[in-house]
Amino acid sequence: NAGVTQTPKFQVLKTGQSMTLQCAQDMNHEYMSWYRQDPGMGLRLIHYSVGAGITDQGEVPNGYNVSRSTTEDFPLRLLSAAPSQTSVYFCASRAGQGSYEQYFGPGTRLTVT
Amino acid sequence: AQTVTQSQPEMSVQEAETVTLSCTYDTSESDYYLFWYKQPPSRQMILVIRQEAYKQQNATENRFSVNFQKAAKSFSLKISDSQLGDAAMYFCVSMDSNYQLIWGAGTKLIIKP
Repeated sequence: NAGVTQTPKFQVLKTGQSMTLQCAQDMNHEYMSWYRQDPGMGLRLIHYSVGAGITDQGEVPNGYNVSRSTTEDFPLRLLSAAPSQTSVYFCASRAGQGSYEQYFGPGTRLTVT
Repeated sequence: AQTVTQSQPEMSVQEAETVTLSCTYDTSESDYYLFWYKQPPSRQMILVIRQEAYKQQNATENRFSVNFQKAAKSFSLKISDSQLGDAAMYFCVSMDSNYQLIWGAGTKLIIKP
């Protein structure tokens, strides 16, 4: 099993550009989520999904879109990048109801200039 | 809303000695989980130890143990026989009844050889 994979590992964008961060898991997990990590802070939840076709907002959803068309994939779209979105982004998955352990991807470092 | 507070931005310890990282949390829920995650320079998030709130016994995983004081809402991590590979950011995390993770700001642990 590859676990949770994320691409790209690093990305530089100009203000106003759009892009998609990819996340995939091969563990058949129901629950997937996106977090951002800013310096001096813990992770903050952006969006999450409890199954294919179901998504919901987390603590900091503005400026981001998600979709979940398959169990395996959970892409995060930045609609119009802003310098405030410079951060490290983590995707995570969890088996589902009753499971507590989240499995994290390696992260994507995004810089918006 | 739940909050998690780590009051020590940085700690240092001599190799082979013991160090304790502090964490307090605030929740109105009766059933929850608490975790310590480790994030080495590789950026990967690694689960170190977990504690179920309904269990009185403190969790232990090899050299890692917790001191869980439910009434005081305190959840400290003790690392015994510190090793160079323990150097990392350590995050205290709580999980609420909706399985959402609430993260502390982290403590940077430095191991002195």
